[in-house]
Formats: sequence, structure tokens, C-alpha cells
Amino acid sequence: GAGVSQSPRYKVAKRGQDVALRCDPISGHVSLFWYQQALGQGPEFLTYFQNEAQLDKSGLPSDRFFAERPEGSVSTLKIQRTQQEDSAVYLCASSLGEYNEQFFGPGTRLTVL
Amino acid sequence: TQLLEQSPQFLSIQEGENLTVYCNSSSVFSSLQWYRQEPGEGPVLLVTVVTGGEVKKLKRLTFQFGDARKDSSLHITAAQPGDTGLYLCAGARTDSWGKLQFGAGTQVVVTP
Repeated sequence: GAGVSQSPRYKVAKRGQDVALRCDPISGHVSLFWYQQALGQGPEFLTYFQNEAQLDKSGLPSDRFFAERPEGSVSTLKIQRTQQEDSAVYLCASSLGEYNEQFFGPGTRLTVL
Repeated sequence: TQLLEQSPQFLSIQEGENLTVYCNSSSVFSSLQWYRQEPGEGPVLLVTVVTGGEVKKLKRLTFQFGDARKDSSLHITAAQPGDTGLYLCAGARTDSWGKLQFGAGTQVVVTP
């Protein structure tokens, strides 16, 4: 496809379950980013990759959050032992340009019950 | 706490009116971007500004980057219902290129 795709679009998890969110970036885009967006707020940076290297993970809220991009293309954000405060929309973006102009996917809405 | 402060948080206007959204920070940014987000979708890039004092026009939208590269504004002339959406500013600091910092957004509603 032409744009960034994310799956699933919606995920409901019981507290304590593990979840995995997938992102397919635009083909050829070197950089990939994950954000968390709470209702009524702007996206909050979680982590980013350049190819397969995770260059900044300072935004990950706890060690329950883990992201990987093993082949420098598709990325997975994993959340272990989900908590209610993890409920949010998780956005993925990819970029190519010098000024980090980002192209976003539609997001995955995670609801933890 | 958002590094970038946007104002107002909410703006409701009639079709044909003008509006301005502000984005302010105490930090200097190497570049600043504006995005528009609609419900259930990811943000869509509108413009990138990189030079202090720069002004960019995109049809009825005018974007300005402050001289000190700490603030920006978005002005919409003769707003239309299709301009409705959440407008987000986002900045990249020189010392952290990959870490784009977003404001909380301004919800704009344009009624016919």
C-alpha cells in the first residue's frame, strides 16, 4: 500500500494480558516512530528506529513496553501485563526527509478492561 | 507536561471567518511542523518550517515561524467546514532530531 498501515485497528485486552501492535511503514522509509495518544491530547513520543537500530526509547513509560524492528521494515510494539492506564491510541509513523516529516498510520485503539 | 503550548484549546467559528492558532515554547526548534488530525485517523502533515521568520502559504492557510524559532502560528482565511479538525504543532530540537514533540492540539470547528 501507499501509506503506513497498522493492525489491529482496535484491541480490547483484560488487565494483565500481553498485546502486540504491528506497524507497516511506507516502503523505503528509514525512520519509524511510535507514539501514544491519550484522549484530547497530542501524541507523546515513545521510541524511534533508524533501520533496525532503536536510537531513542526514552519515551517508553515502563519496562513493560518493548518495541522491535528486526529487519528494518515492519515494527512491533509489545506491551506486557497491560494496565488500565495503557488504554490509548498507539500511532506509528515513518519518515524519509531531512526535516523528519512524518507520515502516520491510522493508529491502534487499545482498551484495557 | 507539553513542551509546546497551543492556544486556544478549542475554536468554533462560522464559515467564512478567519482564525489563528498559536504554538509557543521556551525551547528552540530546528524545525516545526503543523499537522491536522481527524477522528479515527492519524495526523496528516500540512507544512514544515525551518527558518526563523519564515512564512509559508498553502492555499487559505498561512504558517509563520518565529524569528527565534520558539513559536509558530497558523492562520486560516475564510474558513470552510472542511477545515474542521484537530490542529497539532510539533517541533524537533537540534539535540534530539528523532524525538518530535507535539502540542496538545487546537480543536477547530467550522459550521456552515
